[in-house]
Amino acid sequence: AQSVTQPDIHITVSEGASLELRCNYSYGATPYLFWYVQSPGQGLQLLLKYFSGDTLVQGIKGFEAEFKRSQSSFNLRKPSVHWSDAAEYFCAVGPNQAGTALIFGKGTTLSVSS
Amino acid sequence: KAGVTQTPRYLIKTRGQQVTLSCSPISGHRSVSWYQQTPGQGLQFLFEYFSETQRNKGNFPGRFSGRQFSNSRSEMNVSTLELGDSALYLCASSQGGGGTEAFFGQGTRLTVV
Repeated sequence: AQSVTQPDIHITVSEGASLELRCNYSYGATPYLFWYVQSPGQGLQLLLKYFSGDTLVQGIKGFEAEFKRSQSSFNLRKPSVHWSDAAEYFCAVGPNQAGTALIFGKGTTLSVSS
Repeated sequence: KAGVTQTPRYLIKTRGQQVTLSCSPISGHRSVSWYQQTPGQGLQFLFEYFSETQRNKGNFPGRFSGRQFSNSRSEMNVSTLELGDSALYLCASSQGGGGTEAFFGQGTRLTVV
């Protein structure tokens, strides 16, 4: 069955510290992988996506993610977290590069402490 | 350019009623996808329309239906509302081809009482 698992429901990180959000997927075909961020009361904003090629992808707001096929993982990282990064983060997998018909993980809520 | 517009932003309906939600995609986008977001189940894909045809469908009962018009605007309808249908309904539009990004609207918050 196709699924996305985000093991961490809630993470708290100090401002300026590094961040890693975990994502594991199960998908029968070639996975198209995405990370989205959602602020309270807002829709989802795409942070980055992976289709093929270089397994380390760069996104907006200083985020990057690494695709590891052997581990079926696509973890999101940021070297230094800012208070404005507090939000909910969703990993998703889909059948195409356009990001339609996505299967989402349950999300990880990031809190940033000062 | 204008983003994805969903109307209304908030709705309160009574159990057993039906409801129609609207999504206006970004100009030039031909694909519209709908998602349901609840605290318990998270984000779940409902269906995708491309050029007025349903192209993909999630695992939801037949009470959930949708359509897309020739101008790419889409509506979703939920009949015989249940308390569990209370959710944030998000739509996303994209050009529909490869290599393009899906942009999300702010959603419609549906409360069923």
